Amino acid sequence: EAQVTQNPRYLITVTGKKLTVTCSQNMNHEYMSWYRQDPGLGLRQIYYSMNVEVTDKGDVPEGYKVSRKEKRNFPLILESPSPNQTSLYFCASSLYATTNTEAFFGQGTRLTVV
Amino acid sequence: KQEVTQIPAALSVPEGENLVLNCSFTDSAIYNLQWFRQDPGKGLTSLLLIQSSQREQTSGRLNASLDKSSGRSTLYIAASQPGDSATYLCAGYSGGYQKVTFGIGTKLQVIP
Repeated sequence: EAQVTQNPRYLITVTGKKLTVTCSQNMNHEYMSWYRQDPGLGLRQIYYSMNVEVTDKGDVPEGYKVSRKEKRNFPLILESPSPNQTSLYFCASSLYATTNTEAFFGQGTRLTVV
Repeated sequence: KQEVTQIPAALSVPEGENLVLNCSFTDSAIYNLQWFRQDPGKGLTSLLLIQSSQREQTSGRLNASLDKSSGRSTLYIAASQPGDSATYLCAGYSGGYQKVTFGIGTKLQVIP
């Protein structure tokens, strides 16, 4: 089944403790991206990757890192999480970075930083 | 910078009613417009993708239209059912690469 898989689905952590949220897709998509969703603000793009070893900042990249060493994986790294990073996170992928391709989303990771 | 607005923020209708959800965007250079459904605590499910060369798409009881000149898209739901209750998000694709901007969504409740 074609899908985008995120892990974990739920995570509670303490301020400053490094964490990684994994994202994997099995559709051989070139483009992957991370979003966070907050009440009243909608989904905002954190980082995106147009292909292996090519990443760039989205609208809200502060406090996050990403890497794209393999086509299928695009982990989101929080080196020193803070309470304002408590949010619902989504990973998405699409075949290409350019026009006329549909985005597929993972099921989300609900992160709470205390 | 692309901005996407959805009106209304919430909508409650009786079962069986036809309804329209609205989405407006500021950048007419938008090339795709996608409608999603999000159930509480769940991920996003793609409903319809309208590509740059199209003006509308249909899937079952759903019909989405795109008017780039006016900066508007609408999602029409025919004969609404309680199972349609969810938050509906529209997302505009713009820029030279896949820059996706989401609206905040319309929360729909269909009352049996």
